[in-house]
Amino acid sequence: DAGVIQSPRHEVTEMGQEVTLRCKPISGHNSLFWYRQTMMRGLELLIYFNNNVPIDDSGMPEDRFSAKMPNASFSTLKIQPSEPRDSAVYFCASIIQGISEAFFGQGTRLTVV
Amino acid sequence: AQKVTQAQTEISVVEKEDVTLDCVYETRDTTYYLFWYKQPPSGELVFLIRRNSFDEQNEISGRYSWNFQKSTSSFNFTITASQVVDSAVYFCALSDLLVFGTGTRLLVSP
Repeated sequence: DAGVIQSPRHEVTEMGQEVTLRCKPISGHNSLFWYRQTMMRGLELLIYFNNNVPIDDSGMPEDRFSAKMPNASFSTLKIQPSEPRDSAVYFCASIIQGISEAFFGQGTRLTVV
Repeated sequence: AQKVTQAQTEISVVEKEDVTLDCVYETRDTTYYLFWYKQPPSGELVFLIRRNSFDEQNEISGRYSWNFQKSTSSFNFTITASQVVDSAVYFCALSDLLVFGTGTRLLVSP
């Protein structure tokens, strides 16, 4: 397996634009997490899916952020409209709950100018 | 609610010193898992260990060792004879929500 795949690796966008980050979890993993990492706030959990269903989205900062998991092999995190304070590295991770460790993607470095 | 506290923000040591990174957690679950991850300067998150709540045996892997004490809700990580390559940010995490602590930055100087 190629591991958790995130795209794009880098994204630079202008304030106000829509940004979509993508994640392909490891096949067979039943849970998926989105995180945001900044120097100020560390590694924040944004949302957690189990069997494609959002279980906890209390970490989603505001209505501009939305996440979907239409099937077991794909998830998106969308920011609309983007703001400079959204600049961060966004990580996706997948896990088999109770069995495996969490595997992380390489992250997407988002810069909003 | 689940919470992980890593009180040490940054630790600096000289090569060959031993260093212990602290992790204290809070959970109401009776079954849970604890993790340690390493984030080197390159940015990826590298898995180090996973421990379930029913297994309180200490674990050793080379220069790394972990001390899990349920009575104090702690899962501490010790690096013996540290090396420059150990310089990284180390995170402790707690399942099922996979909540991370704020991390401890370890700087090992030659």
